[in-house]
Amino acid sequence: AIRMTQSPSSFSASTGDRVTITCRASQGISSYLAWYQQKPGKAPKLLIYAASTLQSGVPSRFSGSGSGTDFTLTISCLQSEDFATYYCQQYYSGGVFTFGPGTKVDIK
Amino acid sequence: EVQLVESGGGLVQPGGSLKLSCAASGFTFSGSAMHWVRQASGKGLEWVGRIRSKANSYATAYAASVKGRFTISRDDSKNTAYLQMNSLKTEDTAVYYCTPAGPYFQHWGQGTLVTVSS
Repeated sequence: AIRMTQSPSSFSASTGDRVTITCRASQGISSYLAWYQQKPGKAPKLLIYAASTLQSGVPSRFSGSGSGTDFTLTISCLQSEDFATYYCQQYYSGGVFTFGPGTKVDIK
Repeated sequence: EVQLVESGGGLVQPGGSLKLSCAASGFTFSGSAMHWVRQASGKGLEWVGRIRSKANSYATAYAASVKGRFTISRDDSKNTAYLQMNSLKTEDTAVYYCTPAGPYFQHWGQGTLVTVSS
């Protein structure tokens, strides 16, 4: 099974910061990667799919990049509503999907 | 508007069974795969499994952690997907979400809480 790791697991940041979260797959997954945002008590929200395609309605300060095994989610200018936990998800392997363990972004 | 309403959660003893339902509307249910994803309290998301459409032979796939214990089914006449959970373990305690289509997930229900405890 493909395993996903994320780094860091958590960090503190300030409004206006540029932040980058890394996701790594245990084997190559081409660009079959999605990113989600989740706030406490809420269902996840799809931000990016195909590694770099922004989901409709998601602010342009969010961007994704990478292919193969290494991926990044970047928030160019952190807003107050962006404090949340972020998950990557691979959908490469034959109908069995896996999520990363999550990265929590909280207020410094 | 896509709506997904999970139900059937509750408290069950280890070794017991529970069947969750996911009532869907706002999209062509019969043509869509349906997935289940769970999340233990304070933990990350875990994909549980999926069932494809009739056109894809209702093919199912499961995470290794639930394979052989959980079964996903669907009733296209009722626009409803099901998750039958048998031989439940304490580690199955989680909020269970259903989500359509895939392979990435745009729409989610509110989830239903399953607690496995004696």
